[in-house]
Amino acid sequence: QTVVTQEPSFSVSPGGTVTITCGLSSGSVTTTYYPSWYQQTPGQAPRTLIYSTIIRSSGVPDRFSGSILGNKAALTITGAQADDECDYYCVLYMGTGTWVFGGGTKLTVL
Amino acid sequence: EEQLLESGGGLVQPGGSLRLSCAASGFTLSNYAMSWVRQAPGMGLEWVASIFSGGNTFYLDSGRGRFAISRDNSQNTLYLQMNSLRAEDTAVYYCAQIGSGTFKFDYWGQGALVTVSS
Repeated sequence: QTVVTQEPSFSVSPGGTVTITCGLSSGSVTTTYYPSWYQQTPGQAPRTLIYSTIIRSSGVPDRFSGSILGNKAALTITGAQADDECDYYCVLYMGTGTWVFGGGTKLTVL
Repeated sequence: EEQLLESGGGLVQPGGSLRLSCAASGFTLSNYAMSWVRQAPGMGLEWVASIFSGGNTFYLDSGRGRFAISRDNSQNTLYLQMNSLRAEDTAVYYCAQIGSGTFKFDYWGQGALVTVSS
């Protein structure tokens, strides 16, 4: 069974930079998994931030960026703001009509 | 503007059945792959099922044989028929449009709560 890994939590200072990663229990994440990233505040539906590894969704500030770092996909927030404090999820397309989400990362800005 | 509106959630006993609906507006549902994604209370997101524009369907292992995703093109509506429900199926169920060629969950509904409990 494929497991997608994320850091359970991160803390960043206002104005700071944080990188959340998205890995595989077995193997490397590459662009062929079409990694995408979602932001979710409590009680709300997720919002798409990044797709196809590096492409920002419409309306997403350019302080959010996606990349491949080593063998993982990564979401970097540069210049963190208070309203960035929420949950972040990555998801990988497994190429078989199925997707697997990471466990999510709870970001604290303080 | 693309919009998705789920309905049909509620309380059901273990072993029971429920059908969720997702009414699409602002786009033609049959032109896109569509998915159901769920979130158990206090937990993360979990992909449940998808239907592609050609009609192929795919399921999470724990839902295969119990869940069925389908669509009614005339009603522009997506469905998730859930049978033999278990307590661990308790979650908010979201429908989502899959972006063409990008495999991203592009537009999301507001979610429908399904509670499986006696």
